[in-house]
This record gives sequence, C-alpha cells and structure tokens, in this order.
Amino acid sequence: GAVVSQHPSRVICKSGTSVKIECRSLDFQATTMFWYRQFPKQSLMLMATSNEGSKATYEQGVEKDKFLINHASLTLSTLTVTSAHPEDSSFYICSVKGGNQPQHFGDGTRLSIL
Amino acid sequence: EDQVTQSPEALRLQEGESSSLNCSYTVSGLRGLFWYRQDPGKGPEFLFTLYSAGEEKEKERLKATLTKKESFLHITAPKPEDSATYLCAVQGGETSGSRLTFGEGTQLTVNP
Repeated sequence: GAVVSQHPSRVICKSGTSVKIECRSLDFQATTMFWYRQFPKQSLMLMATSNEGSKATYEQGVEKDKFLINHASLTLSTLTVTSAHPEDSSFYICSVKGGNQPQHFGDGTRLSIL
Repeated sequence: EDQVTQSPEALRLQEGESSSLNCSYTVSGLRGLFWYRQDPGKGPEFLFTLYSAGEEKEKERLKATLTKKESFLHITAPKPEDSATYLCAVQGGETSGSRLTFGEGTQLTVNP
C-alpha cells in the first residue's frame, strides 16, 4: 500500500492565487520531508528539506517567501505556492524519510497556473 | 558537489531482450545509492538501496550492482510492464544530510 499520500493530485488556478499542497506520511513517523519540482522530461530538483518543528532549509535559487513550507507534525508537511504565476506551473513531489528508511515519494501534484 | 550521470537517456527493448542501465557517480563519502522507478504522472517508486562496492540486490527481473564509480540496473527478460523511467540517486557525505542527488533518468520502453 501507499506510504505517502499527496493531495491534491492536480490543481488548475488563476494567476495570483495561492495554492496549498499536503504531504502525509502514512506508514511511519517522518522526521524529514522533502519537496521536489520536476519539469517535463527532466529529473527531480530538490527545493527544500524540512524537519519536524524546524524551519525548512531551501536550496539555492528557491524563494522561501514564494514557497512556504510547514512541517507541523511527524506525519504532515505542506507546501504553499504564494501568488502563483504561470512560470510556477510544474509537477511538485514530496518525499518522506524516517530512521533508516529510504525516501518514499508521493504521487505528485500537477500545478497549472492560467 | 555530488554528480550522477545516467545512460542511455532512452532505451527500447523487445520483450525478453535483456539489457543494462548505467549510473555513474562522483560523491564524497557515499552513504547510499538508490534506484527508483517512475511511471508517467506519478512519483518515484523505491526499488533498491546499495551501500558498498560489490553489493548486489535483486527483485523479480531487476538486479542492481555497485562499484566504486558506477551502478548497473540489469533487466532480465523484460516485459512491457517494465516500461518506465528508471532514476538513480546518491546520498553523499555527512554535510549532505539526507538529501539525494538524482540523475536525469533512463526512459525504458519494452515492446511486446
């Protein structure tokens, strides 16, 4: 069964809207959660790493005020894309990690900004 | 900086035609090399973790091997349902934390 639940799977919204994506760890307590972005025909690019109860660590070039990450519990992290614009359209994927487990990924969220 | 290069970019096989995918890496202090399978519109699905040179792991028609510079994913007698993009990733030294560095992937198509 699924280890990670990511919602919504698809979002279409107008430019200027803020969008929240949820990532839940179903099978174990995730001390660390990761958010990735993937463009068509390309590999995953890490956006940020979040540890439960701490501020997220963002990769170089990722705007922390644009992509707000909250990791309030060991099973839930959220990514909010604020004031989204067409260039933010992409496939966003979360992953969870706990203990000696490898990273397990959600099924992604296809974000389309009109 | 950790780097991962996968080859070929794309591979077409006939059903039953065995082959191998390559993952070359440079990393300071390898703490793990990971193989994932990704279907279109889905997140990556975990396949294997390899930790040290000489290690091998198998699952159904897939076998992953590791040397100090590269990893191979061998596919024996593939079936159409093995069609997917296969991603290789490395976890580097302590300063990298738990983050993974991914290769660009190999898109595998198995024709019936």
